[in-house]
Amino acid sequence: QSALTQPASVSGSPGQSITISCTGTSSDVGGYNYVSWYQQHPGKAPKLMIYDVSKGPSGVSNRFSGSKSGNTASLTISGLQAEDEADYYCCSYAGRSTWVFGGGTKLTVL
Amino acid sequence: EVQLVESGGGLVQPGGSLRLSCAASGFTFSSYWMSWVRQAPGKGLEWVANIKQDGSEKYYVDSVKGRFTISRDNAKDSLSLQMNSLRAEDTAVYYCAKAGGWSRFDYWGQGTLVTVSS
Repeated sequence: QSALTQPASVSGSPGQSITISCTGTSSDVGGYNYVSWYQQHPGKAPKLMIYDVSKGPSGVSNRFSGSKSGNTASLTISGLQAEDEADYYCCSYAGRSTWVFGGGTKLTVL
Repeated sequence: EVQLVESGGGLVQPGGSLRLSCAASGFTFSSYWMSWVRQAPGKGLEWVANIKQDGSEKYYVDSVKGRFTISRDNAKDSLSLQMNSLRAEDTAVYYCAKAGGWSRFDYWGQGTLVTVSS
């Protein structure tokens, strides 16, 4: 049950695109197409942004997209906006009804 | 509208116990797995426990096995987490979350803060 690996921080200017990586193992990210991503603003609850690697929930902007290759999943945010500044967490099903989160990435919009 | 409202957090001494509750509304509670996820101050999210629709299966992160017990009351649309033998490292905001299958936590409560300190 080791945490997934994410970069501590990423940054980008308004209008640009950024990508956040999430690296696990064949027992979690690489073993299942059950990767999800969450956005968390300070003092707020996490919000689901992507699930099943690349699906977007109803109501979430299509500027958010996800992908996976091997043991690494990625979240891409295109057309960066000021309100995208937040912490982002990946999460993967890890088998036997357990889940594991990434350590989180702080996104700064310059 | 789906709502999850946690309660029961507070200050407790090391070795003490606390029981968290989560009141659910806006969906058919008995049809979904439910989970607890925590976040230590300034740290990331950590999945803690989950429970099957009928309560017949329960799973925990290794660090809380034998100390925490998740339960549910489908008649009252309520989820609970009994926390015993609390340690300083259990200090965190505890979130109640609805599981959307194996792939996601699609709704979250606002969290309740548990502080373990003497």
